[in-house]
Amino acid sequence: QSALTQPASVSGSPGQSITISCTGTSSDVGRYNLVSWYQQHPGKAPRLMIYEGSKRPSGVSIRFSGSKSGNTASLTISGLQAEDEADYYCCSYAGSRIPWVFGGGTKLTVL
Amino acid sequence: EVQLVESGGGLVQPGGSLRLSCAASGFTFRSYAMSWVRQAPGKGLEWVSAICGGCDNIYYADSVKGRFTISRDDSKNTLYLQMNSLRAEDTAVYYCAKERDSSWPYWGQGTLVTVSS
Repeated sequence: QSALTQPASVSGSPGQSITISCTGTSSDVGRYNLVSWYQQHPGKAPRLMIYEGSKRPSGVSIRFSGSKSGNTASLTISGLQAEDEADYYCCSYAGSRIPWVFGGGTKLTVL
Repeated sequence: EVQLVESGGGLVQPGGSLRLSCAASGFTFRSYAMSWVRQAPGKGLEWVSAICGGCDNIYYADSVKGRFTISRDDSKNTLYLQMNSLRAEDTAVYYCAKERDSSWPYWGQGTLVTVSS
């Protein structure tokens, strides 16, 4: 099972919007609406930001949204804030043999 | 409040073994699937293994299959990862995570495993 493909880095200024893509295949992202997104600050455990493609857990800002088109899922962060600077990882369900596959991660820099 | 506390990490020589534990509290442990996810130094997240709650289904990443064994003791609210034939590339922080809605909303703080001679 190959890792999902994410851009290594993205950047944006405070107040702007950015989108992080996560490209898989018809066996994972394209087949199941079970993509989740995680935010990770240095030295910290990952934090769930989006699940089931577009749902936000309680406590996650409405500035975070998720979507999917074909084999590519996306995380959009609007109204960028300094505290959004972190690494972001996507993860997709990939079937019963090897259920989970992560993306390689994207480093978000808030300029 | 959900709490997951990993332990058992440390320095081990290549070819050695280690058993990680994850003590869970704040939820009905036996009802939930649990996973181990690792992160090598400076690298991304890698799903390692999962075990369902209340059933026999167990899953492994190809990179650890045949070397690692996941298990759980529902009477002790504890998740385990027995790691054998360890390699340098197994060096990582190992997180346990509680699954819900096909995602992991709860994570432990992680335990560092270093495989080196």
